[in-house]
Amino acid sequence: QSVLTQPPSVSAAPGQKVTISCSGSSSNIGNNYVSWYQQLPGTAPKLLIYDNNKRPSGIPDRFSGSKSGTSATLGITGLQTGDEADYYCGTWDSSVTAGVFGGGTKLTVL
Amino acid sequence: EVQLVESGGGLVQPGGSLRLSCAASGFTFSNYAMNWVRQAPGKGLEWVSAISGSGGSTYYADSVKGRFTVSRDSSKNTLYLQMSSLRAEDTAVYYCAKDGVGIYSKDGFDPWGQGTLVTVSS
Repeated sequence: QSVLTQPPSVSAAPGQKVTISCSGSSSNIGNNYVSWYQQLPGTAPKLLIYDNNKRPSGIPDRFSGSKSGTSATLGITGLQTGDEADYYCGTWDSSVTAGVFGGGTKLTVL
Repeated sequence: EVQLVESGGGLVQPGGSLRLSCAASGFTFSNYAMNWVRQAPGKGLEWVSAISGSGGSTYYADSVKGRFTVSRDSSKNTLYLQMSSLRAEDTAVYYCAKDGVGIYSKDGFDPWGQGTLVTVSS
């Protein structure tokens, strides 16, 4: 059972928009920075969003992040088949002084 | 180009030990915190350990505390994970990842290495 809660799967058609939620508590999301990672099949995770809502250079603006209270959301617009991957949220948990990840969400582009 | 290359994985018997290495290049290694993250076969990501840029601060997941030790050698630009008393549930791909200036800073983990597989089995 992960400290951060994500839906196991989401799906949408090409060109559509999808959101992935990440729910936590005041000891993690509520008081720390949230990052999002994309893991394509058979590859290492890649940073998509840092500092709750910022994109590293090279990440298209189709990807966005937001945080409100103890929840965070990853949004992806203009879905492409190449976006099919597992997506993870991550942050620090101040109460246990440890890093925490969500259980991951598998995105299917139908 | 910032690059991280892990090595040291392999097959080890339960109760055994293994040391993983992560060779870093393309940035001033001692300025950045580093992390180890693992992924069991078919499972999600699990944070394992973090170490500050100076090496003076270390943190561990409860699942490995007392069995794993993280360290770094700035003269070799290398991060290590010494694993002992290994269990079957430690079987995973182990990734190293570059953090920001502080542990779990706003910068996120970027980049990640390609991972090294540790299999604990008799």
